Amino acid sequence: QKEVEQNSGPLSVPEGAIASLNCTYSDRGSQSFFWYRQYSGKSPELIMSIYSNGDKEDGRFTAQLNKASQYVSLLIRDSQPSDSATYLCAVNGPGTGANNLFFGTGTRLTVIP
Amino acid sequence: GAVVSQHPSRVICKSGTSVKIECRSLDFQATTMFWYRQFPKKSLMLMATSNEGSKATYEQGVEKDKFLINHASLTLSTLTVTSAHPEDSSFYICSAREGGREQFFGPGTRLTVL
Repeated sequence: QKEVEQNSGPLSVPEGAIASLNCTYSDRGSQSFFWYRQYSGKSPELIMSIYSNGDKEDGRFTAQLNKASQYVSLLIRDSQPSDSATYLCAVNGPGTGANNLFFGTGTRLTVIP
Repeated sequence: GAVVSQHPSRVICKSGTSVKIECRSLDFQATTMFWYRQFPKKSLMLMATSNEGSKATYEQGVEKDKFLINHASLTLSTLTVTSAHPEDSSFYICSAREGGREQFFGPGTRLTVL
């Protein structure tokens, strides 16, 4: 059984600060890792994917993956009020045949103007 | 790119009726589509996975006779909630995958069963 753990928050940061979101997973064979953003009442929106150890940057977002520690994080630089949402960590298994995404319960982020 | 639509966005129905939800990939061919359900303040729960032209694979605890899934083409999958009851009220979200590892979500359908 794959498990994905996130701190539910809420996490509050002031505008312009760095928001750090963390996720751990139980299946050491997991290969693909994703961060989704979900606004209240809306469906998830993919913001980052990462497949290999290290950092991946895209604009204000940086995903960090450490497979040895089974840990993946998301950093949001220069946080904006519009970043206030629930961030979902998702993980899937080894091989392209492993279709399913396993989601954490999400971390609610509030960026204070 | 990678746009997924769902219809309807919101539906209210009486207990005992059936409701069909459509999921379409608009600008790509989806080899696999997924159906999720999300209760308030909870995370997404995968209900089933469907591949075009084959039967859906249901997750444990999901009744396949109650939640009928049809994936008739590479751009369309439908979920039919049969004989809906109030406990079926939820946010139903589909996602689609072209062939890579990323899933793209539709906007969701909020079902309310009276």
